[in-house]
Amino acid sequence: SQKIEQNSEALNIQEGKTATLTCNYTNYSPAYLQWYRQDPGRGPVFLLLIRENEKEKRKERLKVTFDTTLKQSLFHITASQPADSATYLCALRMDSSYKLIFGSGTRLLVRP
Amino acid sequence: DTEVTQTPKHLVMGMTNKKSLKCEQHMGHRAMYWYKQKAKKPPELMFVYSYEKLSINESVPSRFSPECPNSSLLNLHLHALQPEDSALYLCASSSSPNYGYTFGSGTRLTVV
Repeated sequence: SQKIEQNSEALNIQEGKTATLTCNYTNYSPAYLQWYRQDPGRGPVFLLLIRENEKEKRKERLKVTFDTTLKQSLFHITASQPADSATYLCALRMDSSYKLIFGSGTRLLVRP
Repeated sequence: DTEVTQTPKHLVMGMTNKKSLKCEQHMGHRAMYWYKQKAKKPPELMFVYSYEKLSINESVPSRFSPECPNSSLLNLHLHALQPEDSALYLCASSSSPNYGYTFGSGTRLTVV
């Protein structure tokens, strides 16, 4: 069956450290992989998109990698801050489809 | 205007009621979506409209009825819901599948 799994339900790190979140998928061949941030009671906010032919994307303190052989994406937040505390969701989209499927999410807590 | 606006923010309805959720965007996005999100779970796709036509229905029960009156508006008509339908209903839009989705803040629905 098709699955999108994010490494842990929760991740606890110290302010200033790099947070690394993992997204693994099986039985998908996504054309695009996206990362979103969601705060409690709010809708997801788009952060980054990476295409299947791209290895890495960066935006300010954020970095995403995409390994289609390992079927894995890594999401890094460098110099993390308490304001980065939220749930982070990866999402896959297959080519020629408007269907965006979300992973289970990882709750990140950055301690001051 | 870079927002997706959803109304109402909160809705309590009885199992025999008929109500509607509304979603509006003025970004010129041609695809609009309804997602359902239960507590501590990822958003689940319900419907996709592309160029005002329904392109994906994820086997959603007929008590949920979507409507796209024009390119800026998306409605979700609710009738004879069950308590297990209580959830956060999210609307999103995108200019194309190749870009990130913009989500609204959602409607928190409680069925009593």
